[in-house]
Amino acid sequence: KAGVTQTPRYLIKTRGQQVTLSCSPISGHRSVSWYQQTPGQGLQFLFEYFSETQRNKGNFPGRFSGRQFSNSRSEMNVSTLELGDSALYLCASSLTADTQYFGPGTRLTVL
Amino acid sequence: EDQVTQSPEALRLQEGESSSLNCSYTVSGLRGLFWYRQDPGKGPEFLFTLYSAGEEKEKERLKATLTKKESFLHITAPKPEDSATYLCAVQGESSGSRLTFGEGTQLTVNP
Repeated sequence: KAGVTQTPRYLIKTRGQQVTLSCSPISGHRSVSWYQQTPGQGLQFLFEYFSETQRNKGNFPGRFSGRQFSNSRSEMNVSTLELGDSALYLCASSLTADTQYFGPGTRLTVL
Repeated sequence: EDQVTQSPEALRLQEGESSSLNCSYTVSGLRGLFWYRQDPGKGPEFLFTLYSAGEEKEKERLKATLTKKESFLHITAPKPEDSATYLCAVQGESSGSRLTFGEGTQLTVNP
């Protein structure tokens, strides 16, 4: 069974731009969660989508948003990029509400 | 607020030298405690889920245990390929799907 896939794997943007990251969950998984990983803050929860609805949200500004499509694929968007948004963005999918399986991540660099 | 503290931050072992990693947590009602392994530049790889105090799970050279306040990841006779960062995360009853992660223990196993 294919794992979680994320595209693109690497991205370089400049301050003020916006970016969209994509995540395809494991087949049959309807829950998709997003996390930000930085050396200083570690892994932090952004939000979770289930059946096209945001079910849970972390403590990030409104510049961070997401959505989920009917096939469970998810996208997250970051508008007005800041230098501090440079991070590894991880997507995780789960069948039930507990064990989450992570993708390889998208490495975002903001210049 | 859920909190997770992992120790030590870094651990260097010789091949075959067994040791344990610690994960201390505070959570209002534990739904699950999770261990992941993360290699540089990759997403976390799921290892174990523990649900209640006294529970133990094993996989190859790894064994995870759980008490009401902490979890241990025991590594028996490690090999160089066990070198990675080991992450502990908790999911609380009031947190929905959100995982709260510790900072991780960076394990290096020398041949």
